[in-house]
Amino acid sequence: EAGVVQSPRYKIIEKKQPVAFWCNPISGHNTLYWYRQNLGQGPELLIRYENEEAVDDSQLPKDRFSAERLKGVDSTLKIQPAELGDSAVYLCASSWTGGEKLFFGSGTQLSVL
Amino acid sequence: DQQVKQNSPSLSVQEGRISILNCDYTNSMFDYFLWYKKYPAEGPTFLISISSIKDKNEDGRFTVFLNKSAKHLSLHIVPSQPGDSAVYFCAASYTGTASKLTFGTGTRLQVTL
Repeated sequence: EAGVVQSPRYKIIEKKQPVAFWCNPISGHNTLYWYRQNLGQGPELLIRYENEEAVDDSQLPKDRFSAERLKGVDSTLKIQPAELGDSAVYLCASSWTGGEKLFFGSGTQLSVL
Repeated sequence: DQQVKQNSPSLSVQEGRISILNCDYTNSMFDYFLWYKKYPAEGPTFLISISSIKDKNEDGRFTVFLNKSAKHLSLHIVPSQPGDSAVYFCAASYTGTASKLTFGTGTRLQVTL
């Protein structure tokens, strides 16, 4: 069974530039999450989708971050414009609805210069 | 406000000995707890979980203990193996599922020969 797939693995951009991350969850998983992990910290939830609906985006900085999950499968997280403080690992995870554990992808490490 | 705390950033244990990783939480509404393991350049992988109705859960070499009155949980690994060297994250939820996890900052375990 294929796991959660994320791309790119690494991204280096200059501040004020836009950036996008892509995630393909495990087949059959209705719930998709985007987490951000700062250096030395644990992952923090940005947004959770149930199918194509964002059911929890309370921690998403909506002035510069946006996400979509068209057709309830793949998802894209975008930052525009990026700031220096956005440097982090962005993790995508998926689960069955009401699932008791998350399956994480390998993450995208973003460096904003 | 750090609701889930892992006060030991690192731990070194000899192969074959017991590893004990600790986690404290402040939110009494948390009712479901998980441990994740993370290798470098990979996403976190689920290790073991425990519901608040239990005080112990075992899975092979891994046992999680929950002390609700002390708001404390611990992960025991017996015997420790070199492949266990990783960062371990404690996570908690108040939904009974993994839908809204709060992670600790992680403990780096080094198992030496």
